[in-house]
Amino acid sequence: GNSVTQMEGPVTLSEEAFLTINCTYTATGYPSLFWYVQYPGEGLQLLLKATKADDKGSNKGFEATYRKETTSFHLEKGSVQVSDSAVYFCALKSMNRDDKIIFGKGTRLHILP
Amino acid sequence: KAGVTQTPRYLIKTRGQQVTLSCSPISGHRSVSWYQQTPGQGLQFLFEYFSETQRNKGNFPGRFSGRQFSNSRSEMNVSTLELGDSALYLCATKQARTAQETQYFGPGTRLLVL
Repeated sequence: GNSVTQMEGPVTLSEEAFLTINCTYTATGYPSLFWYVQYPGEGLQLLLKATKADDKGSNKGFEATYRKETTSFHLEKGSVQVSDSAVYFCALKSMNRDDKIIFGKGTRLHILP
Repeated sequence: KAGVTQTPRYLIKTRGQQVTLSCSPISGHRSVSWYQQTPGQGLQFLFEYFSETQRNKGNFPGRFSGRQFSNSRSEMNVSTLELGDSALYLCATKQARTAQETQYFGPGTRLLVL
């Protein structure tokens, strides 16, 4: 079945550091891929998405490229801020409209001032 | 446009009781999905409703049920609560059931079972 694996946290970085959170997936066909972010005490917010191979999703300085050959969708940001501290979830949804979204376990990110 | 609304935001119940949670979607959104989030299991899909019909269901016992009203608002019910039902319950809504549609999540209802 479909699955998502992302790096375990917590990840602790200093402000302005470069961020990478790894995400790989297993799925048949060409799923849509997502990164969601959850700030403390809140629900999930869609951060970015990509719907086909080689697509790059981007938002708020974050980027992720849909790599079909490596089945990956790594999240990157060039210079993180304290306000980026949150839990990040990688997720996929197959093209079958009856399929649910499959989430990774989440990666907690701490940014130190 | 107002976002997804979930009520109540926090709830404390005891074992054996039942609970009903509510989700009001973004205006025009007809699909509502429910998820359970726990530290151990992460985010798990409960069920999806569209046009008042359950369209998809996750692997949860029959104690978990839901329904959707004609205005697209949805409720989920958990009967005979167990300690393990303590979780953040999230609903997510979207306009239609197409595969490309983006889901928008509410802030969640945090349920504590004592």
